[in-house]
Amino acid sequence: TQLLEQSPQFLSIQEGENLTVYCNSSSVFSSLQWYRQEPGEGPVLLVTVVTGGEVKKLKRLTFQFGDARKDSSLHITAAQPGDTGLYLCAGEGETSGSRLTFGEGTQLTVNP
Amino acid sequence: DVKVTQSSRYLVKRTGEKVFLECVQDMDHENMFWYRQDPGLGLRLIYFSYDVKMKEKGDIPEGYSVSREKKERFSLILESASTNQTSMYLCATQTVTDTQYFGPGTRLTVL
Repeated sequence: TQLLEQSPQFLSIQEGENLTVYCNSSSVFSSLQWYRQEPGEGPVLLVTVVTGGEVKKLKRLTFQFGDARKDSSLHITAAQPGDTGLYLCAGEGETSGSRLTFGEGTQLTVNP
Repeated sequence: DVKVTQSSRYLVKRTGEKVFLECVQDMDHENMFWYRQDPGLGLRLIYFSYDVKMKEKGDIPEGYSVSREKKERFSLILESASTNQTSMYLCATQTVTDTQYFGPGTRLTVL
């Protein structure tokens, strides 16, 4: 079974601060996705990274896929209260077909 | 826009009851999934389906069954609900590029 470990599990910061969330595994993934989930809603896809070393930017969010495709990070610059939510990483294994393995999630709270 | 709807947002059932959770999608996606989400455990896959009348067990299928009689509808069935099945249940569909679209979830409480 492939596992994805996210850290930290909880993060509470002030508006304007920067933060990084990590997603690590001992397994190789063919792609990795990041989702954000708001209370009472299902997760919504933010980005998919597929190439080792790939960096994608979405406004103040920067996503990176590790060179070996075993880990990923999400960096938020100048966090805002609207960034508050549960961030989930999900990996597609090289032999798992279309199944995704989800990390436990990082609950981010940005205080005004 | 992809739309995935789930039959109930909140549900309260008693131990031993049979529970049906329904999921409907409007995008003609072949792949559909049922997850449960619990604090600190992330999303765990219960069952998934690649096509009508096809189903495959996920990581935690015990105590659950599924039905997919039509492409747009994927139902999760708790044959005899137990308190340890109290959870948030999420349905998802999947595109050919493996992006998953989730419904809003059903928060089930079993008393």
